[in-house]
Order: sequence, then structure tokens, then C-alpha cells
Amino acid sequence: ETGVTQSPTHLIKTRGQQVTLRCSSQSGHNTVSWYQQALGQGPQFIFQYYREEENGRGNFPPRFSGLQFPNYSSELNVNALELDDSALYLCASSPGGGDTEAFFGQGTRLTVV
Amino acid sequence: RKEVEQDPGPFNVPEGATVAFNCTYSNSASQSFFWYRQDCRKEPKLLMSVYSSGNEDGRFTAQLNRASQYISLLIRDSKLSDSATYLCVVIGTDSWGKLQFGAGTQVVVTP
Repeated sequence: ETGVTQSPTHLIKTRGQQVTLRCSSQSGHNTVSWYQQALGQGPQFIFQYYREEENGRGNFPPRFSGLQFPNYSSELNVNALELDDSALYLCASSPGGGDTEAFFGQGTRLTVV
Repeated sequence: RKEVEQDPGPFNVPEGATVAFNCTYSNSASQSFFWYRQDCRKEPKLLMSVYSSGNEDGRFTAQLNRASQYISLLIRDSKLSDSATYLCVVIGTDSWGKLQFGAGTQVVVTP
């Protein structure tokens, strides 16, 4: 096990609603990244948090937002859900540094209906 | 053009056989390369890093060709448990910590 935990594991939401996904990083890791993986695709980078600050963002609209807390756990918030937001959302933690190994949580499977 | 491209497969491989596949990347400034393995509906897990000189880990061999901008993965003596999707991952010098994934190559090992 990676020591990275995500909650919830599955979620069903209605279009237009808001959702919050949570991630606890591995002990000693100060960097958390979030990825969206649609069916049949590779994970796509949403954003990264390093020591509570956003440190890079992928090509996602502002309705995707996040937070990192002093204990380095993190939240991903998505507002105004769209059907295309249905995907596996993955959190990855790493000990910092640009090219270090990332450890993934088991993911949250979000279905928007 | 996608930044990281992979043949989606599936590669159907008899147990005990060898399979190899490549991944191409578009950013010549890319600095770090990895292969991740993903089982159906599970999270990706690091299989191995890819070094410039090439590296081997048991039955798995990874190679990097910077001139042609591709990396490869070779699996020898395939086991049924090797059936999975193999994700190519690249990190560019201008994308601190951001993993760029390919869409994955599916490998199916058959008895």
C-alpha cells in the first residue's frame, strides 16, 4: 500500500452540483497532485499543491479548485458539475522535488448523471 | 499532437513469451521518464524509472532513446499476472512534478 488514501471511493452526483474529494498524503510527503482519468485515457494533470500553495495547473477550468492543509492533506473541489466530469480522480503524493516518484491513492470514481 | 503517445494495443501475449512496446514524447526537453502499471479500475503504480543508459528490473527492461524521443518497455517470460495497462510517464524540465501520461498500452497474457 502507498499510504495515500482518498475518500470517498465512489460518488454519484447530479449535473450542476458541487463535489469535494479528499486525499491524505503519505507521511513525510509535502506535495500533492490531482489527476483526472477518463475511461480509456491516461490520467490528466489538474493541479499540484506544495506546502499549501498551488504549484502548477493543467488545462482545467476554474471550477476545479483545491486546497492543501498544514498536514499536507488536500481537497479537490469541482463546481457546476458536467456530465464530462465523470472520471476516476487520482491523488498522488510525493516528497517534493521535480522528478521524484509519485505514489497514488486508490482514486475516487465520480459519476455525474 | 499528444505530448505522450502510446500504441493502445491490446498486445495478446502467450505465457512465457516476450513482448515489447514503445512510447513517444514530443517535448525534447523532457527530463524524467517512468513506466507505471495500472490494473483494471485501480490506481497506477510505479513499475520502473527509465534511465539514459537503460535499466533492467528482473524480467522488465526499459530503454530511452533521446535522439528519437521514445522509451520502450520489454517484458520477458511473460506471466499471467503481467496482464495490465502500462502507462508511459514523462516529466519535462518546465513542468515541475507534473506527470504527463500516455493513454496506456494494454497487455493481455494468455495461458
